[in-house]
Amino acid sequence: AQSVTQLGSHVSVSEGALVLLRCNYSSSVPPYLFWYVQYPNQGLQLLLKYTSAATLVKGINGFEAEFKKSETSFHLTKPSAHMSDAAEYFCAVSAYSGNTPLVFGKGTRLSVIA
Amino acid sequence: DSGVTQTPKHLITATGQRVTLRCSPRSGDLSVYWYQQSLDQGLQFLIQYYNGEERAKGNILERFSAQQFPDLHSELNLSSLELGDSALYFCASSHEQGSPLHFGNGTRLTVT
Repeated sequence: AQSVTQLGSHVSVSEGALVLLRCNYSSSVPPYLFWYVQYPNQGLQLLLKYTSAATLVKGINGFEAEFKKSETSFHLTKPSAHMSDAAEYFCAVSAYSGNTPLVFGKGTRLSVIA
Repeated sequence: DSGVTQTPKHLITATGQRVTLRCSPRSGDLSVYWYQQSLDQGLQFLIQYYNGEERAKGNILERFSAQQFPDLHSELNLSSLELGDSALYFCASSHEQGSPLHFGNGTRLTVT
């Protein structure tokens, strides 16, 4: 079975500062890993996806994530936070093979301070 | 715009009632997923359909049921509603296993 742990339910950064949102996964098989973002009153939008092609994955809006198998981590980063990045971020995992839907973490709310 | 359409956007009903939530997937997507989002439980997977057939089941209550029709739209039926069923219900679709899920904007259900 797959599971995801997001460390920190709320992260606050200053505008222009580094964003780091942490995600650790558990999977008995090679995983697919995803980061999604949810803005208020909206559905989830895909930020980026890891499928074993490359360990460093670049996504939209300047975000990227690095897959580290030894640490079972898939942390999300952005070099410089913008006010528009304030949202809820979800890490998710599914099995590389088989028929398992996405399992989401509890989410991390990112606040950006001017 | 994800291409996934959910109706209605908001639903307010009383305990004991039954409601139906509707989802139209993105064009070409055969899989439909239903998720429930609440403050205390986060995003919980309910059920998945693939081309009309149930493919996977998650934490779906027996009072809840779903189906996917030949035109690939899906409906989630919630019956004998309780206050605790108040949540955001999301539908998502994907083309195949491992493909990203594309989410609708959700139906906010309030049970009073």
